[in-house]
Amino acid sequence: AQSVAQPEDQVNVAEGNPLTVKCTYSVSGNPYLFWYVQYPNRGLQFLLKYITGDNLVKGSYGFEAEFNKSQTSFHLKKPSALVSDSALYFCAVRAAYSSASKIIFGSGTRLSIRP
Amino acid sequence: KAGVTQTPRYLIKTRGQQVTLSCSPISGHRSVSWYQQTPGQGLQFLFEYFSETQRNKGNFPGRFSGRQFSNSRSEMNVSTLELGDSALYLCASSFSSTDTEAFFGQGTRLTVV
Repeated sequence: AQSVAQPEDQVNVAEGNPLTVKCTYSVSGNPYLFWYVQYPNRGLQFLLKYITGDNLVKGSYGFEAEFNKSQTSFHLKKPSALVSDSALYFCAVRAAYSSASKIIFGSGTRLSIRP
Repeated sequence: KAGVTQTPRYLIKTRGQQVTLSCSPISGHRSVSWYQQTPGQGLQFLFEYFSETQRNKGNFPGRFSGRQFSNSRSEMNVSTLELGDSALYLCASSFSSTDTEAFFGQGTRLTVV
């Protein structure tokens, strides 16, 4: 069975500092991994994905994530946080070549960037 | 090109009523999936449609139903509303059901009173 764990409900970071939002996953076979961001009363906005290839994936707004197969992790990172990065972040996984609807979302991590 | 459009954005309904939500996918996308988002349960998959056929269904009661039209627009219906149905309902579209990423709409916030 597929699962995604986001162990931190909330992450607090000072503006300008690096940030990390953690995600671990479990899936049969090769994974497709995703990060989405959600602002208040809005839908999910795609940030980045790992399908295959380079383990370091670069996405929108300066975010990046590193796929680590041995640790089954896909942590989201940014070198320098902005106050505007404050939002709810979701990690998601599905098995390679499976239906898009088979995607499983983590519980979400609320990122709070203080000025 | 236009993104995924969900209407209405906000709805208030009374227990026992029924509601219909609409989703227009990105032009050319044929797969539409619906999700329910609540603070307690997170994001849960409702159903997926592709070329007017339901491909997958999540673990929701029969009060939740959907359909897809020939132009790929989709509707979901909830009958006999319960307080627990209050949630943000999100629609996502992709070109095909095995496409690597899905694009989400803004959602419809349903409040049942």
